[in-house]
Parts: sequence; structure tokens; C-alpha cells
Amino acid sequence: GESVGLHLPTLSVQEGDNSIINCAYSNSASDYFIWYKQESGKGPQFIIDIRSNMDKRQGQRVTVLLNKTVKHLSLQIAATQPGDSAVYFCAENIWTSGSRLTFGEGTQLTVNP
Amino acid sequence: DSGVTQTPKHLITATGQRVTLRCSPRSGDLSVYWYQQSLDQGLQFLIHYYNGEERAKGNILERFSAQQFPDLHSELNLSSLELGDSALYFCASSARGGRETQYFGPGTRLLVL
Repeated sequence: GESVGLHLPTLSVQEGDNSIINCAYSNSASDYFIWYKQESGKGPQFIIDIRSNMDKRQGQRVTVLLNKTVKHLSLQIAATQPGDSAVYFCAENIWTSGSRLTFGEGTQLTVNP
Repeated sequence: DSGVTQTPKHLITATGQRVTLRCSPRSGDLSVYWYQQSLDQGLQFLIHYYNGEERAKGNILERFSAQQFPDLHSELNLSSLELGDSALYFCASSARGGRETQYFGPGTRLLVL
């Protein structure tokens, strides 16, 4: 079936560097995407979302880019901090008669001091 | 803190038993979702309830059932438990149930021995 997937399972960066986490999706009908951060032992935490009528959305230190042509999402984290270390998931919101999120496999981000 | 609460935090039980997981959504949210997170399957959607009615179903086993009560809290019932049911179970809520952010609770860690 169609699913959302992440390209890299792990990413290691130096504190202060910018991080880029990528995600590919395969459902061309998808029109809403969310990035979540999950720390060990906790539930997924909302970071930022984007609708398909947008190419880019910025938050505090985070930017999400959407390329519908190649069905690709990315999450950019500026000036990465040790507290950003976590697993990051992209999720695709699929709407039928109800709503569901399809998650990618996740990327483990490690920030080295 | 997302505002979604889940109890219990941890649950240890034996194969063949039945357990009930409880979720209280954020104040004002009408939709509740259940997800399962295991090492081999990742985060998987189970079911979506909106204002007491089932709206969408994922790959939820027949041994599992859920309901949403008039006060909007939800319960996930897992019966005839198997070793493979050991996982983290998350509840999420959203305002209505369309293309909108789902906020996740801290999860219930289930261990089946």
C-alpha cells in the first residue's frame, strides 16, 4: 500500500549546525502533512504542519518545505541544539470518512556538543 | 504537555488476558485517535472516533475494540492478549477530525508476558 517513508534512519550533527531531515510520500492525493518530534519515553510532539497549497512554512527555528512534483518533504532545523535530539517523524493525513495519520519510519537526530 | 491524558502509564499482563486503556482528549476536542507503536511496525493508526461515533479504522485486530463515551473520553480494549501485542499505545485528539493537527498523549506501555 501507499506509505510515507524517511530516507535516513539516523542523522548526527554538531551543535549550532543546521539539520535537514527528509521524507518521501507516495499518495499524490495527500494534502496535509505534519512533522512530529518524539523524545525517548514520550508521545509524538507536534512541530509544524503544511498544507498542499503551500511550498514552504516557517516556525521558530524550523522550516518545512513541500515539493509536490517529486512528493518530497523536508524539515530544516536552524542552529540545532542538544535539546533537539530526538526521533523525527513525518506524517501524512489521509482523509476518507474519517482522519488518519500515516507515519514514516522516523529519523534519529543526534546533536553533538 | 499536550493536554491529552492516558492511563495507566505502564501495564504488565499475561497472555490471554484482557486490558483497558483510557484516554481523555484535550478540552474541547471532539475527535480521538488510537495508535500503536512497536519496534517492527512503527507508528500505526488503529481507529478514529468523532463525538462518539467511529469514523475510520486502520489495521486494528478483531481482538481490539474501542469506544468514545458521551464525556468524550475513550477506551481501547485489548483482549486475548499475545506476546506480539506488547507495544506503546498512544491516544491523540483533535478539534473536529478533518485535516488538522492531532495532539498525542504520553502513551501506555503494554508488556505481555
